Amino acid sequence: KAGVTQTPRYLIKTRGQQVTLSCSPISGHRSVSWYQQTPGQGLQFLFEYFSETQRNKGNFPGRFSGRQFSNSRSEMNVSTLELGDSALYLCASSFGLAGVADTQYFGPGTRLTVL
Amino acid sequence: QKEVEQNSGPLSVPEGAIASLNCTYSDRVSQSFFWYRQYSGKSPELIMSIYSNGDKEDGRFTAQLNKASQYVSLLIRDSQPSDSATYLCAVGSGTYKYIFGTGTRLKVLA
Repeated sequence: KAGVTQTPRYLIKTRGQQVTLSCSPISGHRSVSWYQQTPGQGLQFLFEYFSETQRNKGNFPGRFSGRQFSNSRSEMNVSTLELGDSALYLCASSFGLAGVADTQYFGPGTRLTVL
Repeated sequence: QKEVEQNSGPLSVPEGAIASLNCTYSDRVSQSFFWYRQYSGKSPELIMSIYSNGDKEDGRFTAQLNKASQYVSLLIRDSQPSDSATYLCAVGSGTYKYIFGTGTRLKVLA
């Protein structure tokens, strides 16, 4: 069974640009969550999507957005990049069972560097 | 108070010893608990999930959950140098939100 895949694996952007990251979940998983990981802040929850709907959102500015497609693949977008957005962006998928936070499996991540 | 707390470490144990990693959480209605291992520069890898009070064993790993004390732990028996990594505790609620601790760095000394 294929795992969670993320593309691209590495990105270098400059301040003010925007970026789109992609995540394909494990087959059969309908929930996709996005996280930002930095050395100082650890893993911070961005948002979670299930069946093309955002079910939960973390405390990030509106520059961070996401969407999910009918095949459960998800994208996240960061507009007007800032130096502080440099981080490892992780996507995790799960079945998304109703009323239960079930087991999430992580992709390899996208390392974003903002210059 | 942080929602999920872990000692940042490093926790150093000799090869072959038992490593004990601890995690406390603040939300009493939390339902799901997870341990992940993360090597430097890599993504988190699931070790175990636990949903009910008590112990759950998988190979050299045992997770222990005590909801009354809001405490979950991970024991690693016969620790190996390859177990040296950061261990993340995560807590899930019914609102599809997962809160992660900042992780405990484990060093297994050969």
